[in-house]
Amino acid sequence: KQEVTQIPAALSVPEGENLVLNCSFTDSAIYNLQWFRQDPGKGLTSLLLIQSSQREQTSGRLNASLDKSSGRSTLYIAASQPGDSATYLCARGAAGNKLTFGGGTRVLVKP
Amino acid sequence: DTGVSQNPRHKITKRGQNVTFRCDPISEHNRLYWYRQTLGQGPEFLTYFQNEAQLEKSRLLSDRFSAERPKGSFSTLEIQRTEQGDSAMYLCASSDYQLAGGLGETQYFGPGTRLLVL
Repeated sequence: KQEVTQIPAALSVPEGENLVLNCSFTDSAIYNLQWFRQDPGKGLTSLLLIQSSQREQTSGRLNASLDKSSGRSTLYIAASQPGDSATYLCARGAAGNKLTFGGGTRVLVKP
Repeated sequence: DTGVSQNPRHKITKRGQNVTFRCDPISEHNRLYWYRQTLGQGPEFLTYFQNEAQLEKSRLLSDRFSAERPKGSFSTLEIQRTEQGDSAMYLCASSDYQLAGGLGETQYFGPGTRLLVL
């Protein structure tokens, strides 16, 4: 079974600290690894997409790495802000770009 | 580009009733996906279309579920004889698949339809 796991399920940090969110997956034959943000009761917003041939992607304060050999991806958010409070989901992309999601990490950034 | 829209946003129904949800993707996006998300969990893949062709259905999609994308634009997801276990958020996403574009493309999600079956 292809599984995606995110630990911890919840994380609380003071404003200004860097956030490190972890994602692990069981099948190294992935097409891509995607990170999304979800605000309560809302849909998902794409943050970063890392193709299987890539090691990392960056966008502003966000940086995501991909290590297929160990089945891990990490999302770094620099200098966290209260507006970064949300649930962050990683997803493994397979054929057809069908996504298998982890359970998410709920992040709270305290002012 | 107005983004992916879904209607209705909320639906409350009684067990045994049929419900239908609509998804309007970003115009000219050729792929459309349906996912289901229960509280505290990540979304689960249900099915996807490339243009009007339904290319894959999850085993989660029982015989009571049917999805269509008749003209390769909007899509509908129908649930017949709803059960309490169908209560969830139903999410639609679309993407622009290019054959030579590599391994995957960004999926753009709608706001979801929250279904409550009483």
